[in-house]
Amino acid sequence: SAVISQKPSRDICQRGTSLTIQCQVDSQVTMMFWYRQQPGQSLTLIATANQGSEATYESGFVIDKFPISRPNLTFSTLTVSNMSPEDSSIYLCSVAGYDQPQHFGDGTRLSIL
Amino acid sequence: AQRVTQPEKLLSVFKGAPVELKCNYSYSGSPELFWYVQYSRQRLQLLLRHISRESIKGFTADLNKGETSFHLKKPFAQEEDSAMYYCALGGAGSYQLTFGKGTKLSVIP
Repeated sequence: SAVISQKPSRDICQRGTSLTIQCQVDSQVTMMFWYRQQPGQSLTLIATANQGSEATYESGFVIDKFPISRPNLTFSTLTVSNMSPEDSSIYLCSVAGYDQPQHFGDGTRLSIL
Repeated sequence: AQRVTQPEKLLSVFKGAPVELKCNYSYSGSPELFWYVQYSRQRLQLLLRHISRESIKGFTADLNKGETSFHLKKPFAQEEDSAMYYCALGGAGSYQLTFGKGTKLSVIP
């Protein structure tokens, strides 16, 4: 399966600032997804990152708050904008395609002070 | 709408005892079911997918469309099985998944 590298692995940020999380895959993949996993909770899909076009957001998530880029088939970024303590969470990148189900990166543990 | 229900938030069993982690789903189309596992301080990883019909680490899961269930079973629990287990539902031809809330399995030595 594809090797997924997610950066940073963790960060502590001030409220009102923004952080960009990177997801790099070692091979071309069809689909890339971004999830949020709040403490003690399950995974919630934020959006599907579409190569060369705007991401497809799930209900409750908007582009202004979580802008996503996917310039090619191996790379995507998620930005968490204007952060508040409620954004403290683990953010996960996953990839899928060519009959391979989703595989996940290590995640980014984000804390907002 | 797609929905996955894992009724047990926490399941504790003794080492050597049988394990069954329950998963029920709701989906109008042709479902694809998966079990993912997250060991302490490790990434979420795929354990089983129903179309493979294989046994991984002694775990098996059978899709029962009549009961809309995909329970995960292991005849003899090991301490290293202690982890968080998530059941996930996808649709045929779609890579998007809906996850259950997860069950924390604790194997008591």
